[in-house]
Amino acid sequence: DTAVSQTPKYLVTQMGNDKSIKCEQNLGHDTMYWYKQDSKKFLKIMFSYNNKELIINETVPNRFSPKSPDKAHLNLHINSLELGDSAVYFCASSQDPGQVNTEAFFGQGTRLTVV
Amino acid sequence: DQQVKQNSPSLSVQEGRISILNCDYTNSMFDYFLWYKKYPAEGPTFLISISSIKDKNEDGRFTVFLNKSAKHLSLHIVPSQPGDSAVYFCAAIPLPNKLIFGAGTRLAVHP
Repeated sequence: DTAVSQTPKYLVTQMGNDKSIKCEQNLGHDTMYWYKQDSKKFLKIMFSYNNKELIINETVPNRFSPKSPDKAHLNLHINSLELGDSAVYFCASSQDPGQVNTEAFFGQGTRLTVV
Repeated sequence: DQQVKQNSPSLSVQEGRISILNCDYTNSMFDYFLWYKKYPAEGPTFLISISSIKDKNEDGRFTVFLNKSAKHLSLHIVPSQPGDSAVYFCAAIPLPNKLIFGAGTRLAVHP
């Protein structure tokens, strides 16, 4: 059973399009995240949600809009895609967000290519 | 400005030998660190962690050492196995809900 699953795994789309990436976790965790791994392989946090509420929003263009219909799902919608959005996007979840020493479980990633 | 740095992008080690992966951080307020392992086309998976109240944490072949005065931690893998070949990310948690990752070190263990 996959703990954190993302769809699609690969996404190729043209500039200007709008696309969504879906994420679901079956771990019963309260907190979910989106991370971006860019071409330089840096993994950077984009958003963090706890019980459907946004708690971390790093400096991310407002073309990126996360949506959490329930605490097991955190989808990422991207409007007006740009070439620079090409990256691998990872969803993750963790428990006990109030504690620092909590590991995060990651999905397998979605490789987004904007052409 | 990178707060967590892994200055070696790659490391090659012979099977059976020790692999040592290094990580430096800039903020002395960080007090919890993790190592993640990542295979191609997969998400990072948690490997081992250490709190600042310790200077060593061991789990099987994996040991993490923390030197707070030097703001440095290292991951030792002994003995190294070909299946350990992956990218290893060091991470710190400055706040709840936020992991800051280093750039990663690609480890290749060859027979």
